[in-house]
Amino acid sequence: QVQLQESGPGLVKPSETLSLTCTVSGDSISTNYWSWIRQPPGKGLEWIGYIYYGANTNYNPSLKSRVTISVDTSKNQFSLKLSSVTAADTAVYYCARGGGYSNGWFDYWGQGTLVIVSS
Amino acid sequence: DIQMTQSPSSLSASVGDRVTITCQASQDISNYLNWYQQKPGKAPMLLIYDASNLETGVPSRFSGSGSGTDFSFTISSLQPEDIATYYCQQYDDVPRFGPGTKVDIK
Repeated sequence: QVQLQESGPGLVKPSETLSLTCTVSGDSISTNYWSWIRQPPGKGLEWIGYIYYGANTNYNPSLKSRVTISVDTSKNQFSLKLSSVTAADTAVYYCARGGGYSNGWFDYWGQGTLVIVSS
Repeated sequence: DIQMTQSPSSLSASVGDRVTITCQASQDISNYLNWYQQKPGKAPMLLIYDASNLETGVPSRFSGSGSGTDFSFTISSLQPEDIATYYCQQYDDVPRFGPGTKVDIK
């Protein structure tokens, strides 16, 4: 059974960098596509980006200038960094498997972690 | 950018009713369309992938159809546990979700 778990600070100051990690069990981070998706309170879902085959990335053009997704294969984890955050980045952040051209659906999700941007 | 619209934005129906949600893409996305169910406080759950394929373990009362720009999602007999928000999602270019349809029991 594939499981994903997000971790990281729940509060980030404006202009700073949001950093989250997703720990994966039951599948290898070196295979497949691994995505970050967010959902502002009371709003819809927004795909942030993915990393695939442990090294290649693709980002939502609307966030591309501020996003970095990376992997730590030794820990079977992938991470999200979002720089220069504002209140508009307050959201529940999910990690999920999928989103790529060959399997563009998200079949396994973490439980989500709420990140609030506030001073 | 491919934009996704869903209708209705919300609906109320009785237990046992047939419920249909539509999703429209701003350009042809072939069958690159998926459907999710999200209950309050929970992560979304994949129900349908590639427009009409039922994800393993999902009840058969859920179904999807369509191709190109027009898609539909149907619950053949609404159950109390189906109360949720439903999202479509395309992956013809960057993955993008529709705005969601909130389903309630009348």
